[in-house]
Amino acid sequence: GAVVSQHPSWVICKSGTSVKIECRSLDFQATTMFWYRQFPKQSLMLMATSNEGSKATYEQGVEKDKFLINHASLTLSTLTVTSAHPEDSSFYICSARRAGGNTDTQYFGPGTRLTVL
Amino acid sequence: RKEVEQDPGPFNVPEGATVAFNCTYSNSASQSFFWYRQDCRKEPKLLMSVYSSGNEDGRFTAQLNRASQYISLLIRDSKLSDSATYLCVVASGGSYIPTFGRGTSLIVHP
Repeated sequence: GAVVSQHPSWVICKSGTSVKIECRSLDFQATTMFWYRQFPKQSLMLMATSNEGSKATYEQGVEKDKFLINHASLTLSTLTVTSAHPEDSSFYICSARRAGGNTDTQYFGPGTRLTVL
Repeated sequence: RKEVEQDPGPFNVPEGATVAFNCTYSNSASQSFFWYRQDCRKEPKLLMSVYSSGNEDGRFTAQLNRASQYISLLIRDSKLSDSATYLCVVASGGSYIPTFGRGTSLIVHP
């Protein structure tokens, strides 16, 4: 099966610091990676779509200068939350799209729980 | 109107029951449909894709109704382990940007 890893799985930081989250597809090449945020009892909200070697496409309302996305290879994308504040505390999940076959399916990483104090 | 709508529930059913969820979508150009399962504080996991002709995987049956723009998930012989949130995902176009529903919570009790 397709495996996606995320690191770290949880992080606690002080307000004003930056946090970097890595998303890796371990056994397949991902044409596209997605970054989501999920608040408690809310649905997954797509933040941005990232294609390898090109700039990420951000959803409306998501600040691209605050949430920096780098997709350097077909197996790695990173999300950096710059100058994090308590309202950024959330569950951040990445997914990787594995193209081919009859349908395009995305596989999710285990998520990173960010708590900003 | 939200792009993808689901009844949040919770659906509270006894073991062995049959339960069905619906999910409506607003974009008639939507092309790909999926059901995901998400356990509390965990990432979503693909349960099944939804094909135009409908498809079945064990106790789970998914249906697509393009005319009425909804997909459904039927779970037969519910197990305690089926308790989770079921997310409907709809994607449109070649760029495949997925949109998630809010999820439907299922609680199966003894």
